[in-house]
Order: sequence, then structure tokens, then C-alpha cells
Amino acid sequence: AQSVTQPDIHITVSEGASLELRCNYSYGATPYLFWYVQSPGQGLQLLLKYFSGDTLVQGIKGFEAEFKRSQSSFNLRKPSVHWSDAAEYFCAVGAIEYGNKLVFGAGTILRVKS
Amino acid sequence: NAGVTQTPKFQVLKTGQSMTLQCAQDMNHEYMSWYRQDPGMGLRLIHYSVGAGITDQGEVPNGYNVSRSTTEDFPLRLLSAAPSQTSVYFCASSEGRQGTNYGYTFGSGTRLTVV
Repeated sequence: AQSVTQPDIHITVSEGASLELRCNYSYGATPYLFWYVQSPGQGLQLLLKYFSGDTLVQGIKGFEAEFKRSQSSFNLRKPSVHWSDAAEYFCAVGAIEYGNKLVFGAGTILRVKS
Repeated sequence: NAGVTQTPKFQVLKTGQSMTLQCAQDMNHEYMSWYRQDPGMGLRLIHYSVGAGITDQGEVPNGYNVSRSTTEDFPLRLLSAAPSQTSVYFCASSEGRQGTNYGYTFGSGTRLTVV
């Protein structure tokens, strides 16, 4: 079965600093990988997705993620964090063998210091 | 605006009461699903549907029923509410019956408290 691990429950970075949120997945075949962001009291918004091809994918709000098959990872990065990036971030994995179902990680809460 | 609409946004129930959480989408998506979100546990799949008339159980289906009579609507019914069902519930939809190529569009959630 698919599983997703986000090792960091909370991360605090200073405004303007770089950011990397970690995501590891467990799945045998080629997965579909997603990052979502959730602001307090809101639904989830899709940041970016990976299906195939170039392993470095660009998303909205200046975020990017890199798929590393050898490490079963799909880490999210941003070169310079803004205070408005403070939110909770979820990594999710799907696969065509499991239909449209997505499995979500437990989430990482990002705090931004001014 | 096109998207997924959930009602109500907030609800308080007494133990043993029943209620229906509504979810509607206007994007003609075949796939719809219900998740619950609890602190530190991410989102867990309750039920899903790959099209009108077809539903299936997810990871945590006990205590919940669903039906899909139309493409647009996918209501979630709590049969006899329990405090363990206190959570935030999200409805999501996606194009296509198979695969997750397009990602999900989420509703804004229903915050349910069972006392």
C-alpha cells in the first residue's frame, strides 16, 4: 500500500531564508506526487504535481519540488520565504493502480519569523 | 465560480444525532471523495466515488454512508454521531475515473463538533 512520511511536524524559518520540506513515500511503481498548502481555516490548494518526465517541477508561488526515485523522496523547496508562506503543507501520493485515491502525509506546519 | 462547495461550514451535534454534509461540484468531475482531517494525522479517506451510482470505502468508513445519484453531488451521512467523529471534513473532486493525473480540487471544509 502507498504511504507518505513527512518527518518534520513543525519548521520555523526566517523571512528571506530558503526552505526545504521533506517528503518520503513508499510505493513500488511510479507514483504521482503532489504538494498541497493549507492556510488556517481554509481548504487545500494544489502547489505542484509530478507525473513523469523532468524530475524538477515548478509550481505556484515560487515553489519547486524534485523527484528522486533512488531516495523515494519528493522534497519541496523555495529559495526565499515570505511571511505569507506560513501555512501547513501536505505531500500526497497516488498511482494509477489505486485509481484516483491519494494518500496524504501528516503535514508540516511552517512558521516564518520576521 | 467553478469549484467544490461544502455546506455547512460549521456544525455542532449531540451524540447520537444524524446529519448530512453536503458536497457539490460544477466541473463535471467523475471522481469525488470525502476526507477527514485530524491534527497530526493528515487527511484520511472516508469514502469515494468514481462516477454516478458507484461508491466505495476508503480507509476510515465506519459510521459514515455516502451515495452518488448525480455527477454533481456527493453527500456524506453520519448515521449516529460520536465524539470520535469530531473533525474537519473535506470533499474533493478530480477529473477522470482512473488515475490521479490532475490532482484534486478541495472544498473549504466542514468543521464538525460532536458533544
